[in-house]
Amino acid sequence: GQNIDQPTEMTATEGAIVQINCTYQTSGFNGLFWYQQHAGEAPTFLSYNVLDGLEEKGRFSSFLSRSKGYSYLLLKELQMKDSASYLCAVRDSDYKLSFGAGTTVTVRA
Amino acid sequence: IAGITQAPTSQILAAGRRMTLRCTQDMRHNAMYWYRQDLGLGLRLIHYSNTAGTTGKGEVPDGYSVSRANTDDFPLTLASAVPSQTSVYFCASSEWADSYEQYFGPGTRLTVT
Repeated sequence: GQNIDQPTEMTATEGAIVQINCTYQTSGFNGLFWYQQHAGEAPTFLSYNVLDGLEEKGRFSSFLSRSKGYSYLLLKELQMKDSASYLCAVRDSDYKLSFGAGTTVTVRA
Repeated sequence: IAGITQAPTSQILAAGRRMTLRCTQDMRHNAMYWYRQDLGLGLRLIHYSNTAGTTGKGEVPDGYSVSRANTDDFPLTLASAVPSQTSVYFCASSEWADSYEQYFGPGTRLTVT
């Protein structure tokens, strides 16, 4: 099984940078994923890491260290529309996803 | 193109009743999934299907059953609903089981009284 931890809430100012950490313990690792979920809506895919290092996609970047069981999602140049929950998920060797409880990010003007 | 549709959008159900949540996708994806989302617990996998005709159990399968008679449809049935099954249910699909992106439906909010 998977044990995935991420902070419950974070608050940041518009234009700033926020880093959401995720730690995991897994019995089989086959990729780490980040999803975004706005209140009352479905999750949408943001990023995928399977090798160590940083993956950059526009204002969003995701980092993975497999040896440390650690990932972070970096949101740069925050905008009001970035206010949402961010879900860290780990995929096992059977390709099944396990999700963390999510981090609610509030962006203030 | 609708993507993934779920029905109903929301439902209030008396305990002990049988209920089927419907999920249909038009992307010809091979793999489909059912999750439930509860406050503080995140998304948890109930059942999955890697291809039409096959299904598997996820993290929390008890009290739920699924079928996958064709590629497009993946209904979730609660045989005898209990209050602990009050949740938001999301159906998702991916092109293949090992694809990195899952696409989620809009969800069904179910309240069991």
